[in-house]
Amino acid sequence: NAGVTQTPKFRILKIGQSMTLQCAQDMNHNYMYWYRQDPGMGLKLIYYSVGAGITDKGEVPNGYNVSRSTTEDFPLRLELAAPSQTSVYFCASRVRGTNTEAFFGQGTRLTVV
Amino acid sequence: DQQVKQNSPSLSVQEGRISILNCDYTNSMFDYFLWYKKYPAEGPTFLISISSIKDKNEDGRFTVFLNKSAKHLSLHIVPSQPGDSAVYFCAAQGGSEKLVFGKGTKLTVNP
Repeated sequence: NAGVTQTPKFRILKIGQSMTLQCAQDMNHNYMYWYRQDPGMGLKLIYYSVGAGITDKGEVPNGYNVSRSTTEDFPLRLELAAPSQTSVYFCASRVRGTNTEAFFGQGTRLTVV
Repeated sequence: DQQVKQNSPSLSVQEGRISILNCDYTNSMFDYFLWYKKYPAEGPTFLISISSIKDKNEDGRFTVFLNKSAKHLSLHIVPSQPGDSAVYFCAAQGGSEKLVFGKGTKLTVNP
């Protein structure tokens, strides 16, 4: 029972490099989310998706892009990495509808140097 | 503009005593509230939730209280155990598909 799987778990990037954080869920959830967690700052929503082909911005979308070609996958793309993107990134998913909890992956710790 | 606020960054209690974690919100559209628990190097895990049509929800040692008029909710843990030591996040949803989180409260339960 995999749930929400994120890869990689750790990554160090140089300034200006690009990378894709992978997120996959096997629960057939329609809704998927990307959050970042900075120390003492809680979880901030980057992007979310309510289904394949539909994405929308959260609180802090600048510097990121997403796509949702399938129900299972929701990759997060970082273009031209900056030190301000050093953070822990969490992917989450939940079933469609109101009053449902989200399930989180284990996180990706990204350092930009 | 922080819509979900957890004003206490940390809380320390003795094992066996009650832990009370507080959360305030500003958005009147929120109608479902959740508490998540997070251990270091792990993702948040769902703990307990409450709908705005209720004022209390209980699950074992965990109880969440909701005061809609004050836009305030609290999580009570009784009795507290050392394994409860973690960061607790309050979250809210309603009016959209977004799930909005507070900054978290680090709970330490001392043996």
